[in-house]
Amino acid sequence: SQQGEEDPQALSIQEGENATMNCSYKTSINNLQWYRQNSGRGLVHLILIRSNEREKHSGRLRVTLDTSKKSSSLLITASRAADTASYFCATADYGGATNKLIFGTGTLLAVQP
Amino acid sequence: EPEVTQTPSHQVTQMGQEVILRCVPISNHLYFYWYRQILGQKVEFLVSFYNNEISEKSEIFDDQFSVERPDGSNFTLKIRSTKLEDSAMYFCASLTSGRADTQYFGPGTRLTVL
Repeated sequence: SQQGEEDPQALSIQEGENATMNCSYKTSINNLQWYRQNSGRGLVHLILIRSNEREKHSGRLRVTLDTSKKSSSLLITASRAADTASYFCATADYGGATNKLIFGTGTLLAVQP
Repeated sequence: EPEVTQTPSHQVTQMGQEVILRCVPISNHLYFYWYRQILGQKVEFLVSFYNNEISEKSEIFDDQFSVERPDGSNFTLKIRSTKLEDSAMYFCASLTSGRADTQYFGPGTRLTVL
């Protein structure tokens, strides 16, 4: 089964607008993390929210987690052209032996100047 | 700030050749991972490594793949006989401890198999 699916798959907004991306997952988790990936580049860790947290802020980022619905959202406020990238959620389940991350399918965000 | 490094950044090889992708995890980290991302697709877990042995591997990680930590700093992924479908971005990641939260990723190695 596919763990972690983001929607929308692609999002295009104007600079200054807010961008909201959603992630759903299937199994139990210990935490959920959001990563950014600029085209063809590495993964940059943005923010982590633990399973006992409901909301977390970091600068222009706001993440929510609803474990009853197995979903999370990432809000980027006052977007900038430099925010253009793919955004992935990833879940960690410490029930396994390895703390591996399971990534979602990603949202491609385009911020138009 | 400490970071995970990977070399080379881009590797081009012929089908059937062996490749070794190298990673230097953050020095006090204990858990090490390889992930791959086929172009346009999501990041997939390949293998995790702890205490000098594989702790988990995915179904992608077949007999053609192996990992090693030959010394105190390097962590390598070897593909014995590359196939066209091995073309992907390969990411190394490391984690401080089993209860730590954030995996730190390297910049990736783009492998192109011709």
